[in-house]
This record gives sequence, structure tokens and C-alpha cells, in this order.
Amino acid sequence: DAKTTQPNSMESNEEEPVHLPCNHSTISGTDYIHWYRQLPSQGPEYVIHGLTSNVNNRMASLAIAEDRKSSTLILHRATLRDAAVYYCILRDFISNFGNEKLTFGTGTRLTIIP
Amino acid sequence: GAVVSQHPSRVICKSGTSVKIECRSLDFQATTMFWYRQFPKQSLMLMATSNEGSKATYEQGVEKDKFLINHASLTLSTLTVTSAHPEDSSFYICSVGSGGRETQYFGPGTRLLVL
Repeated sequence: DAKTTQPNSMESNEEEPVHLPCNHSTISGTDYIHWYRQLPSQGPEYVIHGLTSNVNNRMASLAIAEDRKSSTLILHRATLRDAAVYYCILRDFISNFGNEKLTFGTGTRLTIIP
Repeated sequence: GAVVSQHPSRVICKSGTSVKIECRSLDFQATTMFWYRQFPKQSLMLMATSNEGSKATYEQGVEKDKFLINHASLTLSTLTVTSAHPEDSSFYICSVGSGGRETQYFGPGTRLLVL
């Protein structure tokens, strides 16, 4: 799977929007962009994923650049419970069909300031 | 999404003993489960892929005789750390996947401390 690059850490004020960037310049045409987050002392949890179009769900929005070489996870109104490490992961759906192992990078540690 | 549990949530054992960690998929039949290990301040590292009814597939550098994996049913996979040493102290996390699913669901993790 292609590599992603994320800032090591970010801070945001509570109740403000947060934009978490991810660069994936070597993304292939069949790579899906997945975001997971890991709260302290817990297993990761799925946040959102997309291929080309922007995506929205109850947790967040995913904005994907037109050339797909970068994406941004958007938390519309951060709360203290959103403090976590956020991982941006590429998954080649075609070659990994039936073998969905995920390769985690270092992620972005998001701190929410009350 | 799938609900995944792990037992125990934390365990302390003496060096040289074996520890078994269970991963259960509570509401989904999982043909494939994954085992990860996470050291403090580091990211998750995949250890092995557990396949129901067949041998697990281990990642490079992971000793299959030390980390025994059994996936005897569609809802249960176990990881046994044999002859545990202090350097095996870590956070062990399992996840559930199956062919074609687009997301993966993780257990809450098991914290192992080997004294």
C-alpha cells in the first residue's frame, strides 16, 4: 500500500473545526483513503473513508483533492472526546480483496484545548 | 458495525509463563482476524493474520512459535504468548475483517505486562 504523510501533532480549541491533513502523493487509482482514530488506551475505531468524492458521515467529513494526492479529515466541532491519534491509511481495494490488513503510520496526535 | 471484544483487558504475568488473549467477534462471523501489537508512544504493528480453519499468516520478524494463534471458529481467535519475557510487554489489539468489507473493527486491546 502507498505511503501517507501526516503532521505528528496538532492542537485545536474546543468547539472549533479541525482540519487534519494527509499527503499521499503516490496514491494509485484503486487506493481508498481510510481514516481511523485511536483514543487513549483503546483500540482504533473507523472514522470515514472515500475514493474520489468528498464524504460526510456523523463523525466527520473527508475532503479529497482533485488529483487525490492529498486529503483532509474535517471535524466540524471538536470536543474533548475527539482527542486522539488520527491515522490516514491507503488501502488498495482490488489487490487486498479478502486480505484487509491495514498498515498504520505514525498518525497525528490531536490535542483539544478546553 | 461489528462489535469486537478482548479478554482479558489487562494481564500481569511472570517471565517464562504463557498468556492467552481471546478476541471475539460478537455479532459478525469473521473468517479473518488480525493481531496487532503497539508499544508505548508507537503505532500499531501487524503481527499476524488469523484465518478461520487454517494456519495464521505471520508478518516478517514475528516468531510463529512464540506467538501462537488459533482461529477455531468464526467468532473466536486466540493469541498465546509463550514463554513471555519483559520485552513482550505491550498493548495487543485484534481486529475483524472479511473479504470485501471496506472497514475494519478493532477490539479494545489487552495490555500485557511481563515482570
